[in-house]
Amino acid sequence: AQTVTQSQPEMSVQEAETVTLSCTYDTSESNYYLFWYKQPPSRQMILVIRQEAYKQQNATENRFSVNFQKAAKSFSLKISDSQLGDTAMYFCAFSLYNNNDMRFGAGTRLTVKP
Amino acid sequence: DTAVSQTPKYLVTQMGNDKSIKCEQNLGHDTMYWYKQDSKKFLKIMFSYNNKELIINETVPNRFSPKSPDKAHLNLHINSLELGDSAVYFCASSRRDTDTEAFFGQGTRLTVV
Repeated sequence: AQTVTQSQPEMSVQEAETVTLSCTYDTSESNYYLFWYKQPPSRQMILVIRQEAYKQQNATENRFSVNFQKAAKSFSLKISDSQLGDTAMYFCAFSLYNNNDMRFGAGTRLTVKP
Repeated sequence: DTAVSQTPKYLVTQMGNDKSIKCEQNLGHDTMYWYKQDSKKFLKIMFSYNNKELIINETVPNRFSPKSPDKAHLNLHINSLELGDSAVYFCASSRRDTDTEAFFGQGTRLTVV
């Protein structure tokens, strides 16, 4: 079974600075997807960024980027120019290709301080 | 034009009662899920349906029964509610093929008293 580990239960960052959230996963498969979801206090789960395992290039979405290290099974999220609205729980998730069993890490609570 | 909608958003009920949570998606997805988020924010998959067929059924008490009348709907019925069932329940949907991103509903906060 696939597992996802987020080793940082809580993190904080000053507004406008950069923060990196860690995620590792375990799988014996080679085709899969990785995701970062954001859950603000509103409770809504919002997709931040996704990465296909077969792509070597790291995904980027505006201020959000990932560092995908397939051999190390690591998938970290970097948030640049942090904003107060980035305060939320962040979940790393894993899904096998053509298999809808999406597994989540335990989450990291990020607080952006003014 | 909400993509995945759940009703109700909040549900407070007494132990022993039976309740249902409804979910509908208008994205044309063929796979729908139920997730449970506990008080520590841990998200755990409960069920997955693909084209009305049960695909994933994690270790969940049989008091929980999903019902999928069509591929746009996946309802969750809970019998004999217990205090430990208090949690936020999320419905989600995705396409089964190449695009496996899951779209989530806004969640239903269930409180059993």
